Amino acid sequence: QKEVEQDPGPLSVPEGAIVSLNCTYSNSAFQYFMWYRQYSRKGPELLMYTYSSGNKEDGRFTAQVDKSSKYISLFIRDSQPSDSATYLCAPTQGGSEKLVFGKGTKLTVNP
Amino acid sequence: EPEVTQTPSHQVTQMGQEVILRCVPISNHLYFYWYRQILGQKVEFLVSFYNNEISEKSEIFDDQFSVERPDGSNFTLKIRSTKLEDSAMYFCADTLSGTGGMTDTQYFGPGTRLTVL
Repeated sequence: QKEVEQDPGPLSVPEGAIVSLNCTYSNSAFQYFMWYRQYSRKGPELLMYTYSSGNKEDGRFTAQVDKSSKYISLFIRDSQPSDSATYLCAPTQGGSEKLVFGKGTKLTVNP
Repeated sequence: EPEVTQTPSHQVTQMGQEVILRCVPISNHLYFYWYRQILGQKVEFLVSFYNNEISEKSEIFDDQFSVERPDGSNFTLKIRSTKLEDSAMYFCADTLSGTGGMTDTQYFGPGTRLTVL
């Protein structure tokens, strides 16, 4: 079983749609669950992260973690064309530990 | 806002040649990383570096790879004898500090695209 699995998409939605992006993971030692956004030919940039199970909201973005099922979600409300990018989930054990990336889901928001 | 910078943005080399990829981390950050992303594949961890030593390396990071911080500011990745399969985007990342019990944001540079012919 791969450490982190993520549906690669691609996902195409109309502007204003609610987007749901998901990952599963296998390593129980993961404590922090990061979401990075990567625009084409750019480095990943941190969007948000959650610690352990629960929800975290930041503007139009909500990150959700269910450690019992090892399932990570990112929801985007009122999606905008500027949200078009590849979204990478990247759990980590915390501190200075390496990030373990999913393959990324490519999202296109159409005006 | 401080950022991680990388040079060159694109490097083309012949198979068997040595390349050095350079990174300038954010000035007060202490932990440094290299990741790579082969086209169409996921971002993969290569190595982490702290206090002038390798903290962790992946199985990808074999004897052809090395890292160093030659002058206290630059952080370099050297590939001694490049292979076709080394063609990828190489990202440098850093964090402020590894504070136990918390996580630190890893800031990524824009990447160096390495093409091995």
